[in-house]
Amino acid sequence: QIQLVQSGPELKKPGETVKISCKASGYTFTNYGMNWVKQAPGKGLKWMGWINTYTGEPTYADDFKGRFAFSLETSASTAYLQINNLKNEDMATYFCARGMTHMDYWGQGTSVTVSS
Amino acid sequence: DIKMTQSPSSMYASLGERVTITCKASQDINSYLSWFQQKPGKSPKTLIYRANRLVDGVPSRFSGSGSGQDYSLTISSLEYEDMGIYYCLQYDEFPRTFGGGTKLEIK
Repeated sequence: QIQLVQSGPELKKPGETVKISCKASGYTFTNYGMNWVKQAPGKGLKWMGWINTYTGEPTYADDFKGRFAFSLETSASTAYLQINNLKNEDMATYFCARGMTHMDYWGQGTSVTVSS
Repeated sequence: DIKMTQSPSSMYASLGERVTITCKASQDINSYLSWFQQKPGKSPKTLIYRANRLVDGVPSRFSGSGSGQDYSLTISSLEYEDMGIYYCLQYDEFPRTFGGGTKLEIK
């Protein structure tokens, strides 16, 4: 069955870097794009962007240009989200979600806590 | 960016009641709209895509409709397990944009 399994919760200090993984199984990884979605505590969903898993080309929403990077390890069917120079406002749960068009399968989410 | 205005932001409904949640896009999104349900501490679950296509395994009491700028999600007979927050998403254009969410609670 199709699954997206994300890495575990992270506790980081401001200014540090975090890298979250999303391992896909049950389908051909390069046939579907991967989206990243942010959910701040008690808030709604915000689309961060997506990565074309066939070409490796990322697309970022305006609010996520600069410190954010999407990458792939295609041989391991894994997508990554890296956030550099962490800020307090990056504290959130981050989800990966499959699909270039509609998002059909979601990871379980990775909580990132930023605290000095 | 396309703005998605979802209403109501919260609601109470009784078991067995018919419930409708609406989403209005700031421009025509050509039925490229999905609906998601999210329960506390869980990831969103996709219910409907392309405005009215039910995802496999989703109960038939859920349905989607609409076109152009206006869309709705209907639960024909509310069950206890339907509590949660519902979001719409447009995927007609980048950036993808979500509605603000509707918190559905049982009366």
